[in-house]
Amino acid sequence: EVQLVESGGGLVQTGGSLRLSCAASGFTFSTYDMAWVRQAPGKGLEWVSAISSSDGTDYADSVKGRFTISRDNSKNILYQQMDSLSAEDTAVYYCVRASLFQYYYYMDVWGEGTTVAVSS
Amino acid sequence: DIQMTQSPSSLSASVGDRVTITCRASETVRDYLNWYQQKPGKAPQILIYAASKLQNGVPSRFSGSGSGTDFTLTISSLQPEDFATYYCHQSYDSPQTFGQGTKVEIK
Repeated sequence: EVQLVESGGGLVQTGGSLRLSCAASGFTFSTYDMAWVRQAPGKGLEWVSAISSSDGTDYADSVKGRFTISRDNSKNILYQQMDSLSAEDTAVYYCVRASLFQYYYYMDVWGEGTTVAVSS
Repeated sequence: DIQMTQSPSSLSASVGDRVTITCRASETVRDYLNWYQQKPGKAPQILIYAASKLQNGVPSRFSGSGSGTDFTLTISSLQPEDFATYYCHQSYDSPQTFGQGTKVEIK
């Protein structure tokens, strides 16, 4: 069964740091692009970061310079290091697998999410 | 950034109704447009990718159309399990962006 399981969320103070992890199973992790998508309470979806199968990275402007996405293909784990957190980062963070059909990129597997709450 | 605008933001419909949700991009995204369904407290699930291609396992009552800047998600006959929030998503340009969502409620 294809599965993504996030961990590492929690309550952190403004200016603090957290590292999210996402354990992947049921597919060849190293061959897929991966991403993080977040959802603030009662709000819509926001793409946060992405990493390609060849380790290229991309970030939303709102997190650029503060968040770092990385992957360990030997352990089938995706990470997101989050620094200088603010209240605006409070959200459920989803780990997502991205699939490519020809050149079409879409998010076909989602984890259940991990909650990050930033308080002052 | 490419802005994605969905309409309506919410709608009420009955079981068996035909439902149409539109998504407009602020500039062309060609057909790099995906649709997701999200139920309360759950992660989103892919329905449609590349504007019109049905993801494996998704019921055929769901369909997508459009290209360029204007797109449509249609549910041909609404079922009880379809009451949810739907999001469009462009993967044509970085940053990837989502529409604000359309909540489909029971009339």
